[in-house]
Order: sequence, then structure tokens, then C-alpha cells
Amino acid sequence: DIQMTQSPSSLSASVGDRVTITCQASQDITNYLNWYQQKPGKAPKLLIYDASNLETGVPSRFSGSGSGTDFTFTISSLQPEDIATYYCQQYDNPPFTFGPGTRVDIK
Amino acid sequence: QVQLQQWGAGLLKPSETLSLTCTVYGGSFSDYYWTWIRQPPGKGLEWIGEINNIGSTKYNPSLHSRVTISADTSKNQFSLKVYSVAAADTAVYYCARGSGRFYQGVFDNWGQGTLVTVSS
Repeated sequence: DIQMTQSPSSLSASVGDRVTITCQASQDITNYLNWYQQKPGKAPKLLIYDASNLETGVPSRFSGSGSGTDFTFTISSLQPEDIATYYCQQYDNPPFTFGPGTRVDIK
Repeated sequence: QVQLQQWGAGLLKPSETLSLTCTVYGGSFSDYYWTWIRQPPGKGLEWIGEINNIGSTKYNPSLHSRVTISADTSKNQFSLKVYSVAAADTAVYYCARGSGRFYQGVFDNWGQGTLVTVSS
């Protein structure tokens, strides 16, 4: 199985701050990498697919980049409604696997 | 607007069979893959497996021997069975729609989730 790691595991930032999360795959996954946002008690929501493509309807303050094994997810200006856990997920090869998540809250 | 609505028993005893069904409202059932994902309380997400409209399945090897995913295309429904459950199977189970370029691992629509608790 392809292992996914994320860092940090949690972060606290102020409204308006730039927030960056990194995700690393245990092998080359090209750009078969997605990012999801999950709020407490809710299903995950797709934000970014194929490493850098913004899902329809998702605010442009969310972005993604990277290829191969190293990927980055950025919130350009943190908003109160962005409080959530963020997961990366590879689909280069089944079983599709998720990172352990990064919890983001407001300082 | 695609909606996935899932249901099934929420409390099981060890060794029983978990059974969940997800109905897809709106959109095409045949153009996508249909997936089950689970999340133990306070933990991360685990892909269980998928099915397409012609019944082709893939499963996570970690669960493969205990899992069956099936579909009823006439009802736009797909189902999950997990046999011989144990406490470690306690989780919120999600159904989701999968799409993608080669493998269909972009999960763009999700059900509301069902908490399944295994306890004697």
C-alpha cells in the first residue's frame, strides 16, 4: 500500500493568515492526489483534485501544488469557517489511502 | 444535484454482519464508481472498496475476505456487507461517488455517514 504522511498534525493560526499543509507519499503518485476538508460530524468535502485543480464551487483561497511524492495545500487567507481537519488522499493505485489529517483551528 | 442517502443498522454484536445501503439521487449511476469509506471514532479515513455499474469490484486487502459490495442499477443503489464484525469495525461508514482519469479515486459526493457500533 502507498503510505501518506501529513505535517503538521495540527496548527493554530489567526484569521487572515496563510496556512500551509504538506503531504508526502511513500512512492511516486504523479499527481493523483486529492485534498478534503472535514468538519466535525460531517462527511469530508472534496476541495482539490489531481493535486492542483479546484473543485467547482470551492473558494479560490484554497490551492494545491506538487507532483511525484511531495504535495502542498494552502489556504491563502484563513477564515473562521475553515476550521476543520484536512486530509490528503492518493488514487495512483488501490487501495486508495488517506493521510492522517491536519487539524486547523483559530488562534 | 447528486445526493447520496445511506441507511442501515447502527448497533451490532460481535460476529454479526454489517449491512448498509446507499441510494443515488440525480446524475448518472453508470458513469461512475461507487465507494465505501469508513472512519473509526476520532481517527482517519479508510477506503473499503468500490463497484461500478457492471458489477466490477475492488476491495482493500485489509478487509477483502470479509467484505462484499453489490449494486442494484435498477434502483440506483449499492450496498456494503461486512461479515463477522468485531469492535475494531466500529466506525462511521460513508458511501461516496468516485471519478477520475484512470482509477476512480476522486470522491466528489458523499453520503451523510452512518455510525456503526459493534458491542456485546
